[in-house]
Amino acid sequence: QKEVEQNSGPLSVPEGAIASLNCTYSDRVSQSFFWYRQYSGKSPELIMSIYSNGDKEDGRFTAQLNKASQYVSLLIRDSQPSDSATYLCAVRGGGSNYKLTFGKGTLLTVNP
Amino acid sequence: DAMVIQNPRYQVTQFGKPVTLSCSQTLNHNVMYWYQQKSSQAPKLLFHYYDKDFNNEADTPDNFQSRRPNTSFCFLDIRSPGLGDAAMYLCATSRYDRDQPQHFGDGTRLSIL
Repeated sequence: QKEVEQNSGPLSVPEGAIASLNCTYSDRVSQSFFWYRQYSGKSPELIMSIYSNGDKEDGRFTAQLNKASQYVSLLIRDSQPSDSATYLCAVRGGGSNYKLTFGKGTLLTVNP
Repeated sequence: DAMVIQNPRYQVTQFGKPVTLSCSQTLNHNVMYWYQQKSSQAPKLLFHYYDKDFNNEADTPDNFQSRRPNTSFCFLDIRSPGLGDAAMYLCATSRYDRDQPQHFGDGTRLSIL
């Protein structure tokens, strides 16, 4: 069974700090990795995608992927109270599999 | 703007009374998905359509059905809702390409009386 694991949190950081969110996955042939942000009572919103080992930066967000360790992370620099949300890690398997497996999410709270 | 639209945003139904949730998209994506999400849980895939091909997840109850009359629209039918079916129902779309992300609608919050 393919699994995606995340610390449920809550992860609490002060405003302006770096928030680090982690995700591990069990399917070694996974090819595509996504981070979604979900505010309470709202639907998931895509914020980052990453496909190759290394870092990918987009504004204050950096996604990091290490396929050998089956590990993907999301760094949020200069955290703002508006970043307070649940962050879902989603993984797509290899080959023709286009379905996503989601982690349960990490609740992030940024304190002013 | 191209988008995924779900109606209604909130739906209240009675125990055992059939209910239909709708989803439409202007992205022209060929894959449409229905997820169920309960509080503090990951979205759970119920089924998806690749074009007109219906793909049911093995653990989706028979109580849940879906229709996709055309590329733009997809419906979720719950034939006899039970109290355990109260949840957020999310529709998502994607292109058939492993690098393409899924795009979600705003969801429908279903309550059962």
